[in-house]
Amino acid sequence: EIVMTQSPATLSVSPGERATLSCRASQSVSSSLAWYQQKPGQAPRLLIYGASTRATGIPARFSGSGSGTEFTLTISSLQSEDFAIYYCQQYNNWPPWTFGQGTRVEIK
Amino acid sequence: EVQLLESGGGLVQPGGSLTISCAASGFTFSSHSMSWVRQAPGKGLEWVSHISSTSGTTYYADSVRGRFTISRDSSKNTVYLQMNSLRADDTAVYYCARLAIVRGVPQNFDSWGQGTLVTVSS
Repeated sequence: EIVMTQSPATLSVSPGERATLSCRASQSVSSSLAWYQQKPGQAPRLLIYGASTRATGIPARFSGSGSGTEFTLTISSLQSEDFAIYYCQQYNNWPPWTFGQGTRVEIK
Repeated sequence: EVQLLESGGGLVQPGGSLTISCAASGFTFSSHSMSWVRQAPGKGLEWVSHISSTSGTTYYADSVRGRFTISRDSSKNTVYLQMNSLRADDTAVYYCARLAIVRGVPQNFDSWGQGTLVTVSS
């Protein structure tokens, strides 16, 4: 099973600032990496797939990078609606499909 | 518009059974694999089970194998999760999720339902 590890657990950022979230896989997942956003009481929403491709309707301030075992989600200028929990997930080696434990982005 | 609508959650006693459903619309149901993903209160996301587009292949997380059964009915565009021998640690919101398909291979979860809460408690 591929273990996904996200850091930091919590990121405190001021509105308008950049946020950088990290995700590491225990073995290579190539570019088969997705990022999801989850707000309280809501279902997860797909942000990024293929490590760097934004899903339909996702603003350009969200960008993904990386391949192999190291990945990054960057939010270039945080908006109020971006404060949420973000999960990475690998789909290169399944089953199981595995998620990171999440990074909470909170208002500083 | 893709829609996934879960139903059937509720309170069940330890050792009991429950079947939850996910009604799909807005896409060609028979073309997509489907999964269940759960989230215990205050915790992260855990993949639970997967069924291929033709129902020919199913997968289960180790934590539920032998107790849960996934199935789908293409005539009703619905996916089911039958849960037996339920335990307190099965308490979670259960999400139905559609998998993107590229050249016939399941990829990431590209659409999610709103979830249904299953609570296992006496």
